[in-house]
Amino acid sequence: QVQLVESGGGVVQPGRSLRLSCAASGFIFSSYGMHWVRQAPGKGLEWVAVIWFDGSNQLYADSVKGRFTVSRDNSKNTVYLQMNSLGVEDTAVYYCAKVGVPTTVKGWLDAWGQGTLVTVSS
Amino acid sequence: QSVLTQSPSASGTPGQRVTISCSGSRSDIGSNSVNWYQQVPGTAPKLLIYSDNRRPSGVPDRFSGSRSGTSASLAISGLQSEDEADYYCASWDDSQQRAQFGGGTRLTVL
Repeated sequence: QVQLVESGGGVVQPGRSLRLSCAASGFIFSSYGMHWVRQAPGKGLEWVAVIWFDGSNQLYADSVKGRFTVSRDNSKNTVYLQMNSLGVEDTAVYYCAKVGVPTTVKGWLDAWGQGTLVTVSS
Repeated sequence: QSVLTQSPSASGTPGQRVTISCSGSRSDIGSNSVNWYQQVPGTAPKLLIYSDNRRPSGVPDRFSGSRSGTSASLAISGLQSEDEADYYCASWDDSQQRAQFGGGTRLTVL
């Protein structure tokens, strides 16, 4: 069965960095695009970033562009989210999610991790 | 602020049919299919409807979706107490090159 497990969340001071990881299993990881979606406390879902199945391209929400970087290691079945210059507005649960169709990034997200909480606070 | 617009709340009594709407633009819903996610508070979102009107395995046929022009809707018939959750529509925006989520609709079963 498909499983996505995020890690790396925690409490960090404003301006600092954090790297999230998402370990995947149960499917051919190297064939699927992967998204990051976040949810601030009491708020709705916000799309953050996506990376192509082969890592050849990435796209970002305007709110994180230039600060966040998504990458992947297909040999380790893991996708990462490097978050720099964090602000209090980045406080959220971060989910990784798998695209439901291979080799595309525009499809539905058919599997989600449990999420990891990032709290930016001094 | 979400680009896809949803009413913040909806409600119904057990057995009723409720509809949740999602409004977008030509570059998102007008050009790409819509997906719906269900999120019980405190848990991860779950895919409920994909490609406008298709149900993943295990989703009851009480749930259905449709899309027309730049709008989409999710219908839930035979409402049950376990349907109480937040519902999000989502689509891809071709001009912005990004995924979009609606602001979410909290469904209360009275």
